[in-house]
Amino acid sequence: DAGITQSPRHKVTETGTPVTLRCHQTENHRYMYWYRQDPGHGLRLIHYSYGVKDTDKGEVSDGYSVSRSKTEDFLLTLESATSSQTSVYFCAISEASGGNNEQFFGPGTRLTVL
Amino acid sequence: GENVEQHPSTLSVQEGDSAVIKCTYSDSASNYFPWYKQELGKGPQLIIDIRSNVGEKKDQRIAVTLNKTAKHFSLHITETQPEDSAVYFCAASGDEAGGTSYGKLTFGQGTILTVHP
Repeated sequence: DAGITQSPRHKVTETGTPVTLRCHQTENHRYMYWYRQDPGHGLRLIHYSYGVKDTDKGEVSDGYSVSRSKTEDFLLTLESATSSQTSVYFCAISEASGGNNEQFFGPGTRLTVL
Repeated sequence: GENVEQHPSTLSVQEGDSAVIKCTYSDSASNYFPWYKQELGKGPQLIIDIRSNVGEKKDQRIAVTLNKTAKHFSLHITETQPEDSAVYFCAASGDEAGGTSYGKLTFGQGTILTVHP
């Protein structure tokens, strides 16, 4: 398995509280992505990073922010959690070498917002 | 942006039968089409992928076909086994990770495959 860890693995929080999810990789891959997975929607891209301090929005970025201060860590922050952000969050990494697009996924974080 | 539709949402087969999952995409610029398998409680894992310059690719019991004119691609699993039971996702991307799309994937909605012994 690719060296990707996510923390926490499970979290229950209340509406209006800030939440930060962490993705840590040991593969030194350049690209990192945050997805959310909801029934009937597959995986939807929230934000992604193409290098340290280089990030951009995905298709469902409202209410989320990210930071990447070093290659191995990509943080996802919910500034003020809402019930609609209850979901399973996956981090993924990828390396552009020889046209290799494969994304490797972490184990996921199950977030419940009450 | 890209839109990927996946069908069926659930698929139930008997062990040994074949299973076919189909996806359509909207952006004619998409040129990379991976398939991921997700087991319960785990993250998705790549099982096979195909690029736009190839019409078919096979890896043991798994094959993927691509029709760029019609903008659809399909996953074929032959001689299914109970361990093939999982959720399968198709995806599409407009460029390799080193290109301007940064390897971003648009996923289909997923297919729950159940293989009965």
